[in-house]
Amino acid sequence: GENVEQHPSTLSVQEGDSAVIKCTYSDSASNYFPWYKQELGKGPQLIIDIRSNVGEKKDQRIAVTLNKTAKHFSLHITETQPEDSAVYFCASPAGDSSYKLIFGSGTRLLVRP
Amino acid sequence: GAVVSQHPSWVICKSGTSVKIECRSLDFQATTMFWYRQFPKQSLMLMATSNEGSKATYEQGVEKDKFLINHASLTLSTLTVTSAHPEDSSFYICSARRTSAVTGELFFGEGSRLTVL
Repeated sequence: GENVEQHPSTLSVQEGDSAVIKCTYSDSASNYFPWYKQELGKGPQLIIDIRSNVGEKKDQRIAVTLNKTAKHFSLHITETQPEDSAVYFCASPAGDSSYKLIFGSGTRLLVRP
Repeated sequence: GAVVSQHPSWVICKSGTSVKIECRSLDFQATTMFWYRQFPKQSLMLMATSNEGSKATYEQGVEKDKFLINHASLTLSTLTVTSAHPEDSSFYICSARRTSAVTGELFFGEGSRLTVL
């Protein structure tokens, strides 16, 4: 089955700097890679996703890049703001046609004012 | 947008009682919903897949008689924690997949925090 590893577990950046979170996956057939943001006491919110037919997708300050050869995808946040502080999870399909997502272990991002 | 609503958002109950949590897709039909459990500072652990009109599929190690799942309509799935004990205290989150979607995009509810005394 699919295995997703996420790094780093914690990340602290100065406001205005960029933040990068990386995930690797094991199933070469995986074709959908979402990123979720979870604020304290709330459910995860989909912030961006990418499908395997493209290498990069951008939405304002957030971008996701995909390297299918190396089987990794990354979340890039530019011009970070304090409200970006949260836990971010990557995910990848389980690979059994069930639409289940396998989640990474999460990255706690702290943006220092 | 796709909105998923969970109710209640928090609940406190006594040991031995049962608690029902509802997950509703408000503006789309969801043949498939998923239930997760999340402990503090940990990732989401998938408990089961809820399929409309059929039995839920449970992940390994999850007791189906402990966590009853019912998906009676295309917009509602319920999770009932039976004979709850303190170790069942956790944050329970549901997600829903739009029936018409061609990929695995999931939308999550706001979560339900269960505290068993």
